[in-house]
Amino acid sequence: EAGVTQFPSHSVIEKGQTVTLRCDPISGHDNLYWYRRVMGKEIKFLLHFVKESKQDESGMPNNRFLAERTGGTYSTLKVQPAELEDSGVYFCASSRRLAGAYEQYFGPGTRLTVT
Amino acid sequence: AQSVTQLDSQVPVFEEAPVELRCNYSSSVSVYLFWYVQYPNQGLQLLLKYLSGSTLVESINGFEAEFNKSQTSFHLRKPSVHISDTAEYFCAVSLHSGGYQKVTFGIGTKLQVIP
Repeated sequence: EAGVTQFPSHSVIEKGQTVTLRCDPISGHDNLYWYRRVMGKEIKFLLHFVKESKQDESGMPNNRFLAERTGGTYSTLKVQPAELEDSGVYFCASSRRLAGAYEQYFGPGTRLTVT
Repeated sequence: AQSVTQLDSQVPVFEEAPVELRCNYSSSVSVYLFWYVQYPNQGLQLLLKYLSGSTLVESINGFEAEFNKSQTSFHLRKPSVHISDTAEYFCAVSLHSGGYQKVTFGIGTKLQVIP
């Protein structure tokens, strides 16, 4: 079974530009999550999809961030326009119901650097 | 809201010595508890989890953690560390929420095993 994949692994952009991050969850996982870790800080929840619907987007920093999940499969996270404080590692995770608990499987992350 | 405190940002330890990584949490409701590990240049991996039952949980590579409800702690221990244990370790909690598992992470502890 393939794991969660994320693309790109690293992105360097200038302030004001647009970047789109992609996440491919494990096949059959209805739940998809985005998290972010700013350097030196905790990994923080951004949002949660159940299939193609946004279940909880309470962690999204502001309206410069837009997440979509086409057809309930892969997801994209767009940052437009990017600011310096958006730099960090963006993790994607997916899960399905398993034995009463919902173990999340994480991707390797996308390191975003805004200069 | 729940929170996780990892008091030690870095823990250096000699190879074959014991180690304890501390984790305390705060929550007004029951939670699941997790330890995730991130090896260099890799994604987050679930190391072990406490859902219910026995308060002592073990991983396949010799780590163990004990849930202490009265002290709201979930410390991670290993009696003898190996060089390959060098990684960053994250304590995390999630609510007992049917169909949805938003994870709250601690800031992480970097374990440096010294030869």
